Amino acid sequence: GQNIDQPTEMTATEGAIVQINCTYQTSGFNGLFWYQQHAGEAPTFLSYNVLDGLEEKGRFSSFLSRSKGYSYLLLKELQMKDSASYLCAVSEGNTPLVFGKGTRLSVIA
Amino acid sequence: EAEVAQSPRYKITEKSQAVAFWCDPISGHATLYWYRQILGQGPELLVQFQDESVVDDSQLPKDRFSAERLKGVDSTLKIQPAELGDSAMYLCASTSGLADTIYFGEGSWLTVV
Repeated sequence: GQNIDQPTEMTATEGAIVQINCTYQTSGFNGLFWYQQHAGEAPTFLSYNVLDGLEEKGRFSSFLSRSKGYSYLLLKELQMKDSASYLCAVSEGNTPLVFGKGTRLSVIA
Repeated sequence: EAEVAQSPRYKITEKSQAVAFWCDPISGHATLYWYRQILGQGPELLVQFQDESVVDDSQLPKDRFSAERLKGVDSTLKIQPAELGDSAMYLCASTSGLADTIYFGEGSWLTVV
């Protein structure tokens, strides 16, 4: 099974850059997902990495290193609306997606 | 844009009562999941359906929880009797393939008093 570890909380300033790390232990790796979840709402899909490297999508980028069991989500030009929880999730073999506990990001002025 | 539909959005129930949640996945998505999310935690899988068949219900507390997807489309999750520890958000999600992106519904908030 997967052991997914990500920081519990982070704080960053509006307009800055923040990196949210995720480490995992798994076999039969299929891919890694990042989801954003605002308080009281359902998770929404942000990114998917299956190969090593950086995937860029606007202000958000996600990086994967399969050999290190490591990923990060990079948020640039932070806005107040980016305050949310960010969930790292791993797909392994034939098992359903397994989520980490999430990182609660607070963006301050 | 197609969405996963869930109802009710909010439910308050007394302990020992029965409660049910309904989900209609994105059209054409054969795989449907029910997750439970406790405040401050990530979603945890309760049950996975492939069409009308249960693929994984190893984490479903079967003494009180049941789930069905009779025609392989919409699904119902039932809790009877509800306990205080069941207070959580119940999320339905669907995908067209196992490694494909999972799309979540808005969730059903349950408070057991």
